[in-house]
Amino acid sequence: QSVLTQPPSASGTPGQRVSISCSGSSSNIANNYVYWYQQLPGTAPKLLVYRNSQRPSGVPDRFSGSKSGTSASLAISGLRSEDEADYFCAAWDDSVSGWVFGGGTKVTVL
Amino acid sequence: QEQLVESGGGVVQPGRSLRLSCAASRFTFSSSAMHWVRQAPGKGLEWVAVISNDGRNKYYADSVKGRFTISRDNSKNTMYLEMNSLRTEDTAVFYCAKSDSGGLRWYYYGMDVWGQGTTVTVSS
Repeated sequence: QSVLTQPPSASGTPGQRVSISCSGSSSNIANNYVYWYQQLPGTAPKLLVYRNSQRPSGVPDRFSGSKSGTSASLAISGLRSEDEADYFCAAWDDSVSGWVFGGGTKVTVL
Repeated sequence: QEQLVESGGGVVQPGRSLRLSCAASRFTFSSSAMHWVRQAPGKGLEWVAVISNDGRNKYYADSVKGRFTISRDNSKNTMYLEMNSLRTEDTAVFYCAKSDSGGLRWYYYGMDVWGQGTTVTVSS
């Protein structure tokens, strides 16, 4: 049972917009930065969004992050086949003095 | 491009020890806090530990507290994870990762650059 709650799966057709939610609490998401990671099959995680909504250089602007209260979300617009991957949210948790991850969301491009 | 390379993984019996290393290059290692994150087979990501840029301060996940020790040698641009009293549930790919930033609340910046991972299998 992960501290941050994500839907286990999401899907869409090419070109569609997909949104992934990440639900937490006042001890993590509400008062700390949220990070999003993409993990392609068999590879290491890659930073997609940092500090709630910032994109590292090289990450397409099709990916966007947002946060409101105890929840955060990652949106993928203009879905492409290469976006098929697992996506994880993460945040520092003040109550456990450690980092917590969501359980991950597998995105499928239909 | 910033790079991290893990090593030291392998197969070990329950109760034994193992030390992982993470060699950093192409960034100022001594300015960055560093993380260890693991992923059990077919499972999600689990944060393990974080260490401040100067090595003086550390935080651990409850699941490894008292058994694992994170450390670093800034003169060698290398971070370590000493794992004792290993359990079968410690079987995972272990990733090292660089922190997004430092500063006063150095621990609450997430991972930006990740290594390729090293596999630890705990089995009799």
